[in-house]
Amino acid sequence: AQTVTQSQPEMSVQEAETVTLSCTYDTSENNYYLFWYKQPPSRQMILVIRQEAYKQQNATENRFSVNFQKAAKSFSLKISDSQLGDTAMYFCAFDPPGANNLFFGTGTRLTVIP
Amino acid sequence: GAGVSQSPSNKVTEKGKDVELRCDPISGHTALYWYRQSLGQGLEFLIYFQGNSAPDKSGLPSDRFSAERTGGSVSTLTIQRTQQEDSAVYLCASSATGPSKPQHFGDGTRLSIL
Repeated sequence: AQTVTQSQPEMSVQEAETVTLSCTYDTSENNYYLFWYKQPPSRQMILVIRQEAYKQQNATENRFSVNFQKAAKSFSLKISDSQLGDTAMYFCAFDPPGANNLFFGTGTRLTVIP
Repeated sequence: GAGVSQSPSNKVTEKGKDVELRCDPISGHTALYWYRQSLGQGLEFLIYFQGNSAPDKSGLPSDRFSAERTGGSVSTLTIQRTQQEDSAVYLCASSATGPSKPQHFGDGTRLSIL
């Protein structure tokens, strides 16, 4: 079974500071994809960043970067220079080969404090 | 470039009634997904459509749930004889075909069963 664990239900960070959200997953697969999605109060799930497991280099998108540790099955999201608009639920998602759907964690609610 | 469109945005109905939720995917996306998000939970996969292939219905929680996709585009999720536990946000996503195919989500339908 594919499982995704986000162990931090809630986090907060001061504006302009850096925060790291944790995600671990369980799989026996070797090639797969990982995603972080952001869900603001508007409910729409917005893709933040994605990582391909066969790439050792950590993905980066502007202020968002990941720390992908394949052996440890860990995929954390770092948000630098946090902004008020980053306040949202953040979901880690796992896309194994041959699957017809993403497997999501239960999310981390991030609040950026002005 | 319109995104994934879902309607209605909110739906309140009485227990025992049938409801229909609509999803209009991004033009050209052959894959369409339905997920359910209960309060404080991650996303639970319901059903997947890919082109003209038979849908993957493995996530549907009971036979009260069904979905169809007409003409490879618009999809309707139907819940018959609704129960209070069906209250949730129902999210639709679509994606292009191929590896690392990020899913693009709609704003969801918040369903409340009285």
